[in-house]
Amino acid sequence: SQKIEQNSEALNIQEGKTATLTCNYTNYSPAYLQWYRQDPGRGPVFLLLIRENEKEKRKERLKVTFDTTLKQSLFHITASQPADSATYLCASLEVNRDDKIIFGKGTRLHILP
Amino acid sequence: GAVVSQHPSWVICKSGTSVKIECRSLDFQATTMFWYRQFPKQSLMLMATSNEGSKATYEQGVEKDKFLINHASLTLSTLTVTSAHPEDSSFYICSARDAMYNSPLHFGNGTRLTVT
Repeated sequence: SQKIEQNSEALNIQEGKTATLTCNYTNYSPAYLQWYRQDPGRGPVFLLLIRENEKEKRKERLKVTFDTTLKQSLFHITASQPADSATYLCASLEVNRDDKIIFGKGTRLHILP
Repeated sequence: GAVVSQHPSWVICKSGTSVKIECRSLDFQATTMFWYRQFPKQSLMLMATSNEGSKATYEQGVEKDKFLINHASLTLSTLTVTSAHPEDSSFYICSARDAMYNSPLHFGNGTRLTVT
């Protein structure tokens, strides 16, 4: 069955370093992947969308890659700051549904000062 | 940018009572809104898709008579948890798209429901 997985439940990164989060998908080929940020007790906020024919997408200190061979998307935050600490979720459309977005469990990122 | 407002942000109710949660799109029209539920350290799980002017579409395993959804206008959807039980305690989040079906979701800030 279709799976979207974020294998790291939590990640600690020293301030100033690059944080890299991983999203893997199995048993399907998403046309695109989305990344969201969620702070405790809040709704997710959309960050980036990358399509299957795009290798890389950037937005300020954020970079997302999409590797259809590895079935993986990487989410990078360069020059990380304590304010980047949050849970990051990857998401895609469910197979055969053009309206339902499914989410990974998320990775809790802690940027250590 | 597109804003989705959700109220209340938290609510405590007694078992057996009903609770209504509102979700409004403030600066765009949303023919479709989505209701998610999230348990601690778990993924968001889609409960139902709310369609303006028609019945909601519920995901498998979600009781439609327990979670009543009304989407009476292009900017408002409501979720009513009827006869609430402690196991209904959770974080409920609504979302909507402001454009094409493959555009990102805009989320409300969620409602923390605690049933005592």
